[in-house]
Amino acid sequence: GNSVTQMEGPVTLSEEAFLTINCTYTATGYPSLFWYVQYPGEGLQLLLKATKADDKGSNKGFEATYRKETTSFHLEKGSVQVSDSAVYFCALSVNYGQNFVFGPGTRLSVLP
Amino acid sequence: DAGITQSPRYKITETGRQVTLMCHQTWSHSYMFWYRQDLGHGLRLIYYSAAADITDKGEVPDGYVVSRSKTENFPLTLESATRAQTSVYFCASSDLRASGTNEQFFGPGTRLTVL
Repeated sequence: GNSVTQMEGPVTLSEEAFLTINCTYTATGYPSLFWYVQYPGEGLQLLLKATKADDKGSNKGFEATYRKETTSFHLEKGSVQVSDSAVYFCALSVNYGQNFVFGPGTRLSVLP
Repeated sequence: DAGITQSPRYKITETGRQVTLMCHQTWSHSYMFWYRQDLGHGLRLIYYSAAADITDKGEVPDGYVVSRSKTENFPLTLESATRAQTSVYFCASSDLRASGTNEQFFGPGTRLTVL
């Protein structure tokens, strides 16, 4: 079956630190990969995505590269801000399907 | 307002009562989804709908009922609420043909407490 594994949180960093949140997946077919972010008290919103191997998604200083050989889609940011404190979800869909599989989420806290 | 809305945002009910959570989207997306979010479980799919009058079970459908008589609305009913259904519920929609992406767009959530 299809599944997504994320590093366990919470992750606590100081402002301007480098961020990596690991995500690996198992999928049949051709997965598209996504990172969603959930700010406190809000719904999820798309942060970035990649639809084929070696694609790099980027947005708001965050980046993730679709690595087929390692079945990974790790989220990175060079310098985090307090406003990046949120829960981050890795997700996949297969064959451009409408149904998603979400990882368990990783809570990030950035301290000033 | 354009987008996807959920009501109520907060609800407290008692065990055994029927509760309906509403979801409305203005994009005419064909697909709609209901998830529950619980600590330690992330997001779990309850039900989804590919179009009006077409619904299907997700990962955790027991105790829930859905209907979709109109494209824009996708209500979720707990027929006899249990404490185990205390959770935050998210509605989402998507439509590859309409938006060019299969990205799911999420509502703000409903926090349901069953006493």
